[in-house]
Amino acid sequence: DAGVIQSPRHEVTEMGQEVTLRCKPISGHDYLFWYRQTMMRGLELLIYFNNNVPIDDSGMPEDRFSAKMPNASFSTLKIQPSEPRDSAVYFCASSLRGRYEQYFGPGTRLTVT
Amino acid sequence: AQSVTQPDIHITVSEGASLELRCNYSYGATPYLFWYVQSPGQGLQLLLKYFSGDTLVQGIKGFEAEFKRSQSSFNLRKPSVHWSDAAEYFCAVVRTGTASKLTFGTGTRLQVTL
Repeated sequence: DAGVIQSPRHEVTEMGQEVTLRCKPISGHDYLFWYRQTMMRGLELLIYFNNNVPIDDSGMPEDRFSAKMPNASFSTLKIQPSEPRDSAVYFCASSLRGRYEQYFGPGTRLTVT
Repeated sequence: AQSVTQPDIHITVSEGASLELRCNYSYGATPYLFWYVQSPGQGLQLLLKYFSGDTLVQGIKGFEAEFKRSQSSFNLRKPSVHWSDAAEYFCAVVRTGTASKLTFGTGTRLQVTL
């Protein structure tokens, strides 16, 4: 199995630009999670999906952040417009119903200048 | 509400020495508990998990953890640390009311000296 795939691995952009992060979960997994990791705040859950439906987006910091899951094998996290304080590592993870453990992708390191 | 506490922010051990990383949880029922490891620049990798049954669970890379209900603890251990074990370690618990929503501790950074 290829594991959770994220792209790009690194993204550098200027303040005000739109950023789109991509994730492909493990085949057959029906839960998908987006996390953000910073030194100050640690690992934060932003949003998660079950069977492509957003279940809990209470961790999304503000309206500039949006996430979609158009099908079982693809999800995006979009930031528009981006700000320097969005600089962080963004992780995608997936899990199988009833299994609880989550499998993480390698992350996308976002730098907003 | 569930919570996870990792009281040690940073631990340094010598290569070959034993290791114990502490994790305490707050949860009313029997929890589902996990340990993850994050090497620099990498994602989180699952080391081991506890759902029920035998309170001593074995994981990958020679790690084990023991669930102690009386102490609300799930400490991670390794008898002999290798330099490649230097990483950040996270304890996590499944959050109440949602099937797969994990609550993570703040992590313990392990440094290994040669």
